[in-house]
Amino acid sequence: DAGVTQSPTHLIKTRGQQVTLRCSPKSGHDTVSWYQQALGQGPQFIFQYYEEEERQRGNFPDRFSGHQFPNYSSELNVNALLLGDSALYLCASNTGVGGPNSYEQYFGPGTRLTVT
Amino acid sequence: AQSVTQPDIHITVSEGASLELRCNYSYGATPYLFWYVQSPGQGLQLLLKYFSGDTLVQGIKGFEAEFKRSQSSFNLRKPSVHWSDAAEYFCAVGAPGGSQGNLIFGKGTKLSVKP
Repeated sequence: DAGVTQSPTHLIKTRGQQVTLRCSPKSGHDTVSWYQQALGQGPQFIFQYYEEEERQRGNFPDRFSGHQFPNYSSELNVNALLLGDSALYLCASNTGVGGPNSYEQYFGPGTRLTVT
Repeated sequence: AQSVTQPDIHITVSEGASLELRCNYSYGATPYLFWYVQSPGQGLQLLLKYFSGDTLVQGIKGFEAEFKRSQSSFNLRKPSVHWSDAAEYFCAVGAPGGSQGNLIFGKGTKLSVKP
């Protein structure tokens, strides 16, 4: 049973550039959430996708956008990169059917983004 | 607004000693509660969860946690720590009936294990 997978593992970008990160959810899951984890901090919720639409959004600027495909995989796009965007970006998946189990999220290994 | 506090940034214990990691939350009702572990360079692995019912929950790798409503706490415990337990531990809460799947995390507690 494949877990959550993310690509790439590491990425180095220059300030002002744009980046796309990819995520495939755990088999059987239809909801994908993205989190940003800065060094020494806990993960912070960016947004969540369900049925190919953004269902919730955390306190992140519009430079952060996403997409979910019919096969439930997802992309996170960040435009106009800032030095402060350097972080580990985590993708998590769960079933979006409601109830407590919809909060039980399974995380991928993350993509380490460095902005120089 | 919900929040999670993990008061201890770094804890060092000897191998074989007992462990307790503290977690306090702020929320108007009983939230859903989780403990995750993160090894260096890795994603987060779910250790255990609390939704309702028995306030003592068992998880993987010999961990357990106790929900105490009066103290707004959900502390993680292990009776005997192994060297492989060295990692960072995160407590997280979710708001029932509200933002499904939006977990609020604490800042984490880094656990070091002395031989």
